[in-house]
Amino acid sequence: SQTIHQWPATLVQPVGSPLSLECTVEGTSNPNLYWYRQAAGRGLQLLFYSVGIGQISSEVPQNLSASRPQDRQFILSSKKLLLSDSGFYLCAWSLSLIGYTFGSGTRLTVV
Amino acid sequence: AQSVTQLDSQVPVFEEAPVELRCNYSSSVSVYLFWYVQYPNQGLQLLLKYLSGSTLVKGINGFEAEFNKSQTSFHLRKPSVHISDTAEYFCAVRSSGGSNYKLTFGKGTLLTVNP
Repeated sequence: SQTIHQWPATLVQPVGSPLSLECTVEGTSNPNLYWYRQAAGRGLQLLFYSVGIGQISSEVPQNLSASRPQDRQFILSSKKLLLSDSGFYLCAWSLSLIGYTFGSGTRLTVV
Repeated sequence: AQSVTQLDSQVPVFEEAPVELRCNYSSSVSVYLFWYVQYPNQGLQLLLKYLSGSTLVKGINGFEAEFNKSQTSFHLRKPSVHISDTAEYFCAVRSSGGSNYKLTFGKGTLLTVNP
């Protein structure tokens, strides 16, 4: 069966520090992968998606970047965090009509 | 491009009462529609989806939703709620074509079931 792993579950980072959040998928090949950010009262905002290795599409200009070094690995990064980067980050994968399967999320607090 | 409007940000109900969470969408192309549930500090779980066929869709945990094309709505219903249904619910839409499968979400409705 397909599973998605996302870590860490919580993270507290100082302003100006780097960030790396990792997401891996098991049990499927060549999925579409997504990073969403959820801020209180603002729903889910799509940050990046990827349809294949090395293929990244950015939905909104921001302080973050994404990479897909392997078929089932999706990484969200920042060189210098801002206070406004705080939020709940969700990774998801999708294949055609199945819909999305979400990871359990990372709660990032930038202090 | 698509958009989703969830008309109620919060819905409080008593246990065993019926509930309807409203969702309207906007799109210039054919769409697929989804409802997801999120429990505190967790990821989202798929409740149900409409792809084609019968406009009444049944999902997990006793939820159902009805697709109304003329009103561009996809309201979620449950005839009798439990305390455990307390969670945030998200309606989502994506184009039925294309290959990126991007979902556009509404801002969510917080359902609170009180004893």
